Amino acid sequence: AQSVTQLGSHVSVSEGALVLLRCNYSSSVPPYLFWYVQYPNQGLQLLLKYTSAATLVKGINGFEAEFKKSETSFHLTKPSAHMSDAAEYFCAGEMNRDDKIIFGKGTRLHILP
Amino acid sequence: ETGVTQSPTHLIKTRGQQVTLRCSSQSGHNTVSWYQQALGQGPQFIFQYYREEENGRGNFPPRFSGLQFPNYSSELNVNALELDDSALYLCASSLGDRSGDTQYFGPGTRLTVL
Repeated sequence: AQSVTQLGSHVSVSEGALVLLRCNYSSSVPPYLFWYVQYPNQGLQLLLKYTSAATLVKGINGFEAEFKKSETSFHLTKPSAHMSDAAEYFCAGEMNRDDKIIFGKGTRLHILP
Repeated sequence: ETGVTQSPTHLIKTRGQQVTLRCSSQSGHNTVSWYQQALGQGPQFIFQYYREEENGRGNFPPRFSGLQFPNYSSELNVNALELDDSALYLCASSLGDRSGDTQYFGPGTRLTVL
């Protein structure tokens, strides 16, 4: 069955440190993949999306993600964390390209001063 | 350009009641999707409307129904409310229903069922 799995429901990093949020997918065909951010009491905002044009995708706020077919992964990274990055992050995918989006359970990112 | 708006922001209902949630799409968008986000979970797809027709449905019972109007605003109706229906309900609009189209989310309606 198609699925999106986010490893770690909570991740803590120090301000200025590397941010790495992990996402793996299960799909029979290369999917479209997305990362969304959700701040408290707000809706989801798209950070970036992979649609097969390039394996390294750059998004807003300094985030990027790399699609690795061999690892079925789409991890989200940012070189230097900022306090304003504290939020919930969701990885999502359209697995069969005609199905609707499947979301992971989310990873809450905590930034330590 | 206005973004996606939802009303009301919060709502409290009791078991067995019916509720209607509303969504106004971003200007120019003809597709709207609805999601249920339970506490501590990712959003789950309920259904999608494209040009006033249902265009896909997730694993939700028929008591979850929807409408899309000619101006592309939308409603989510839930009948016979159950305690497990307590969640944040999100709508998202997009320019079309093609795979990979970016969805723009509203702030959500927090529904509490007592």
